[in-house]
Amino acid sequence: GENVEQHPSTLSVQEGDSAVIKCTYSDSASNYFPWYKQELGKRPQLIIDIRSNVGEKKDQRIAVTLNKTAKHFSLHITETQPEDSAVYFCAASNTGTASKLTFGTGTRLQVTL
Amino acid sequence: GAVVSQHPSRVICKSGTSVKIECRSLDFQATTMFWYRQFPKQSLMLMATSNEGSKATYEQGVEKDKFLINHASLTLSTLTVTSAHPEDSSFYICSAWRNEQFFGPGTRLTVL
Repeated sequence: GENVEQHPSTLSVQEGDSAVIKCTYSDSASNYFPWYKQELGKRPQLIIDIRSNVGEKKDQRIAVTLNKTAKHFSLHITETQPEDSAVYFCAASNTGTASKLTFGTGTRLQVTL
Repeated sequence: GAVVSQHPSRVICKSGTSVKIECRSLDFQATTMFWYRQFPKQSLMLMATSNEGSKATYEQGVEKDKFLINHASLTLSTLTVTSAHPEDSSFYICSAWRNEQFFGPGTRLTVL
């Protein structure tokens, strides 16, 4: 089955700096790669996703890049703000089958003033 | 976006009892729903895929006789934790797929 690794496990940045979180996946059949933000006790919130026919996607301060050959994808947050502090999860899925998600281990992002 | 609800949001039960958690897709039909479990400070782990009108598909290591899943309609899946023990205490989250995964708000289960 799919295996998703995520680094780093914790990340502390100063407000205004950029944050980068990286994930690798193992199953070449995976074609959908979402990123989620989860606050304590809450459900995961989709912040951006990318499908395998695209190499990069951007939405305001958030961008995701995908390298299918190397089987890795990254989340980039620019101009970080304190409200960006949360746990971020990457995930991978093959939408042609059951669309079940395999999650990475999570990154706790702390944005300090 | 689509809405998925979950009930109850919190439940405390005694060891040995059973607990049922409901997951509903409120504004769309979901032939497939997913059940995840999340322990504190850990990631979401898929427990099973719930298929409307057929048996659920369980992930390796998940006991199907302990975690009973019923997907009786296109908008409702239920997870029953049978003979609950303290180690079953966790955050249980369901989701449904509609071009993306829509998650329920989760159920915090505490087994005393």
